[in-house]
Formats: sequence, C-alpha cells, structure tokens
Amino acid sequence: AQSVAQPEDQVNVAEGNPLTVKCTYSVSGNPYLFWYVQYPNRGLQFLLKYITGDNLVKGSYGFEAEFNKSQTSFHLKKPSALVSDSALYFCAVRDMKTGANNLFFGTGTRLTVIP
Amino acid sequence: NAGVTQTPKFQVLKTGQSMTLQCAQDMNHEYMSWYRQDPGMGLRLIHYSVGAGITDQGEVPNGYNVSRSTTEDFPLRLLSAAPSQTSVYFCASSNQGIIYGYTFGSGTRLTVV
Repeated sequence: AQSVAQPEDQVNVAEGNPLTVKCTYSVSGNPYLFWYVQYPNRGLQFLLKYITGDNLVKGSYGFEAEFNKSQTSFHLKKPSALVSDSALYFCAVRDMKTGANNLFFGTGTRLTVIP
Repeated sequence: NAGVTQTPKFQVLKTGQSMTLQCAQDMNHEYMSWYRQDPGMGLRLIHYSVGAGITDQGEVPNGYNVSRSTTEDFPLRLLSAAPSQTSVYFCASSNQGIIYGYTFGSGTRLTVV
C-alpha cells in the first residue's frame, strides 16, 4: 500500500535560517514525488518534482528537495527562509491505486517563518 | 488569465440539499480532478477524468457525482448534502499527466448545516 508521511504538522524557523520540511513515502516501484505549496485562501501551487535522474531537485522560489532512496525520503529544503515562505506545504506521490495520473497527498506541514 | 476557475467560492447548504460545484479550465487540459481538503487529512481524491466522456472514482467518491461532457468543464454534484461533506473543494487540471504538475483552482468552501 502507498503512503506519504509528513511527520511535522508545524515547522517554525527564523527568517534567514535554513529550512527543512520532511517527507517520507512508501510506494511500489519507482516513486514519482512532488511538493506543492498552499498560500492562505489559495489553491495549491506546484513547487518541484522528482521523476528520475539527479537526487537533488531544484524548483520554484529557491526551494530544492533531496530524494533519498535508502531512507525513502524526499525532504524539502531552502538555504535561507523568507517570511513570504510561510504557507502550508504538501508532499505527494503518484497514486498507483486510483490511476497513474493521480496524486496521493500527505497531510501537510504548516511552515511559519518568524521575522 | 488562463487557469482553473471554480464557482462559487463559498456556499452554505442545508442537510439534504443538492448543488453543483463548477470547475472550468481554458488550457485545453485533458486531465481534471476533484479533491477535498480537510484539516489533518490533506487532500483526498474524489473523482477524476482523463478526457471528455471519461470519468472514474477516486479515494472518496461516495455522495458525489461528476460528468465530463466537454474538455473545459468538470462539475461536481452533491446529490444530498451531509454535514460530513463540509470541506474545501479543489479542482485541478493537468496536461499529459502528473509530471507536468497540476494547476489548481482557488477552491470552494462548503458548509453543510
């Protein structure tokens, strides 16, 4: 069975400090992994993806994520956090249970960047 | 602007009432889907469509119907609203699958009393 775990409901970080939002997954076969961000009262926006290739993936707004196959993790990172990064972040995997074009989302992590 | 448009943005229903949540996209995307977002549960897939005339069930389809008569529109129908359907509903579309990312609408906040 597939699953996506975001172990932290809330992450607080000071502005200018590096940030990490954690995600671990369990899927059969090769994973397709994604990060989305949701700003208040908005729909989700695509940040980045890992399909194949380099384990370090770069995305929008200076975010990057590292695919670690042995630890089945896909943590989202940014070297220097901005107050405007405060949002809800979702990790997702390709949903092989309902269809290869569908996404299965984690429960989300709320990131707060403190000025 | 090109994108996914959802209407209405807010709706209050009484238990047992029916309604349709509208979703339209102008990007000629073949794939469209509906998710509901509930606190602590992330987004859960309700129904999806890979093209006009084709729909299928997601993880939580009970109590909802969909149709896809055109590429642009993918309405979600609540047949007899229940308090358990109080949620925020998001429509998403994609061109040629998930690897190009989904485009989400801004959501419909539904309250069933």
